[in-house]
Amino acid sequence: GAVVSQHPSWVICKSGTSVKIECRSLDFQATTMFWYRQFPKQSLMLMATSNEGSKATYEQGVEKDKFLINHASLTLSTLTVTSAHPEDSSFYICSARKTGADTEAFFGQGTRLTVV
Amino acid sequence: DAKTTQPTSMDCAEGRAANLPCNHSTISGNEYVYWYRQIHSQGPQYIIHGLKNNETNEMASLIITEDRKSSTLILPHATLRDTAVYYCIAVRTGANNLFFGTGTRLTVIP
Repeated sequence: GAVVSQHPSWVICKSGTSVKIECRSLDFQATTMFWYRQFPKQSLMLMATSNEGSKATYEQGVEKDKFLINHASLTLSTLTVTSAHPEDSSFYICSARKTGADTEAFFGQGTRLTVV
Repeated sequence: DAKTTQPTSMDCAEGRAANLPCNHSTISGNEYVYWYRQIHSQGPQYIIHGLKNNETNEMASLIITEDRKSSTLILPHATLRDTAVYYCIAVRTGANNLFFGTGTRLTVIP
């Protein structure tokens, strides 16, 4: 099946610094990718939709200036958590879906961010 | 997209069939039923999906009621590695994003 790869798998950063997470579709092109956040013992919450060549669409309550999304190519989307704080510590997951009426979405392995 | 309702948790004995129910009483005609699972600290994994016919693949079977208001995911011979949170999601045709509910935490017991 198709593969979506995230990097890094985990990262620890100091409060106030920025962290970039990459999401790649390895064997298909994805004009749209999705970024989710998951806090412990909670479900995945959609943060934003990343659109190749245009601005991302953010869900209500997600700060676009804090969570910068870039989708510069058909196989790569990046999420940058700017000026990270401890409350941004979470599990970040990306997904992509092949074009088609009823195709499944493929998810990356997730990135665990810890801000200290 | 239609709201789905699942039990919070279930246990299943190893080697037995695991039957995970999902209620989607407000599902519309152009919404598929998708099942994903998430093993601890990993990204969700696709299992199976269907529109109105029952479906089977190497992982599981999906039984959808004739009125499409509910479905059951069947893992025919559960193993310890099937312990995970299972999500049932109704997805409109052509929609790209998925909205996850709380899912069912399945624990396979030795």
